[in-house]
Amino acid sequence: VLTQSPGTLSLSPGERATLSCRASQTISFNYLAWHQQKPGQAPRLLIAGSSTRATGIPDRFSGSGSGTDFTLTINGVEPEDFAVYYCQHYDSSPITFGQGTRLEIK
Amino acid sequence: QVKLVESGGGVVQPGNSLTLSCAASGFNFNSYDMHWVRQAPGKGLEWVARSSFDDERREYADSVRGRFIISRDKSKNTVFLLMNRLGRDDTGTYYCARGSFTSGWSWGQGALVVVSS
Repeated sequence: VLTQSPGTLSLSPGERATLSCRASQTISFNYLAWHQQKPGQAPRLLIAGSSTRATGIPDRFSGSGSGTDFTLTINGVEPEDFAVYYCQHYDSSPITFGQGTRLEIK
Repeated sequence: QVKLVESGGGVVQPGNSLTLSCAASGFNFNSYDMHWVRQAPGKGLEWVARSSFDDERREYADSVRGRFIISRDKSKNTVFLLMNRLGRDDTGTYYCARGSFTSGWSWGQGALVVVSS
């Protein structure tokens, strides 16, 4: 089980966002990803392997963590970053997603 | 680049069946696991099924095991999801995804399935 916190994060553009994802058991090889989803769109991969940015993802997005505790940080939130963020483990089946963190404009 | 295009969604009556397709291009289809993930309206993401790169392993979420079947056609670079005995809880957008341990997942645009009488 992946538990994300907070459920909703209200920030102003330019602020730093810190999103947390905690696993109920150790994730092997740090196979933990973060996905962004905007209304009416498919999810988009941001981070794989806990800390590797996907192709084309701005460097204001960074991931960290290992074992059971992982963090997605957005340094200087831009207007286009307001969306729902999901963490996902993909080391073994059943693959699971966190319940999501909604990043909203304050 | 990686492209995944789902098709086959629509409205189906409870108890009936539906098959989704996902046409893949831009990568070596035979080297990657393929997945189906769904999202009920207003809800989060739920993993549904996985086909290993060689189709020798097929795995399912508890909620669909025994009703859904994932398969792939290597000659057409296409992965399928046969959904049987559909219920209203199966309503949602179904996404096809390419899995990779090293580079993470790539997503299709989704296909909407509505189970309603």
